Amino acid sequence: GENVEQHPSTLSVQEGDSAVIKCTYSDSASNYFPWYKQELGKRPQLIIDIRSNVGEKKDQRIAVTLNKTAKHFSLHITETQPEDSAVYFCAASTSGSWGKLQFGAGTQVVVTP
Amino acid sequence: SAVISQKPSRDICQRGTSLTIQCQVDSQVTMMFWYRQQPGQSLTLIATANQGSEATYESGFVIDKFPISRPNLTFSTLTVSNMSPEDSSIYLCSVEEGFGDGYTFGSGTRLTVV
Repeated sequence: GENVEQHPSTLSVQEGDSAVIKCTYSDSASNYFPWYKQELGKRPQLIIDIRSNVGEKKDQRIAVTLNKTAKHFSLHITETQPEDSAVYFCAASTSGSWGKLQFGAGTQVVVTP
Repeated sequence: SAVISQKPSRDICQRGTSLTIQCQVDSQVTMMFWYRQQPGQSLTLIATANQGSEATYESGFVIDKFPISRPNLTFSTLTVSNMSPEDSSIYLCSVEEGFGDGYTFGSGTRLTVV
């Protein structure tokens, strides 16, 4: 089955700097890659996703890139703010419809003022 | 996006007992998913529930321990049976919004087994 590895496990950045989280996946059939943000005690919230027919997607300060050949995808957060502090999870699915999500281990991001 | 009501939000249970967790969605969905998130860990899929058929369980999870019901397209329950302290986790349900629209999670049930 699918295996998703996520790095780093923790990331400390100064406010205003950029943060990058990387994930690799094992199943070349995976075609849907969402990113979730989970604040302490709250549910995971979808922040951005990308499909295998797209190489990059942006939404304001957040962007995701996908390299299908290398089987890795990354989350980029620019101009970080204290409210970006949370745990971020990447995931992969072999089907965009009714597919199972395989999650990475998570990255604890701490943005210091 | 879909609104999911999950109950209870938390519970403290005695070992050997069972707890049933409910998820109600404000729209009809084909599949509902149940996840477990152990303290400080990632999310692990327990099973996929399709209305009108038996749930499909992932490796390491069995129906006798985690029976699931899916009586209609807006509701599902997960029961954690014969609980032990190792079952202490957050349990979350999830639905797919629609083809290509991502997955939404319920607010979770924080279970502590003593």
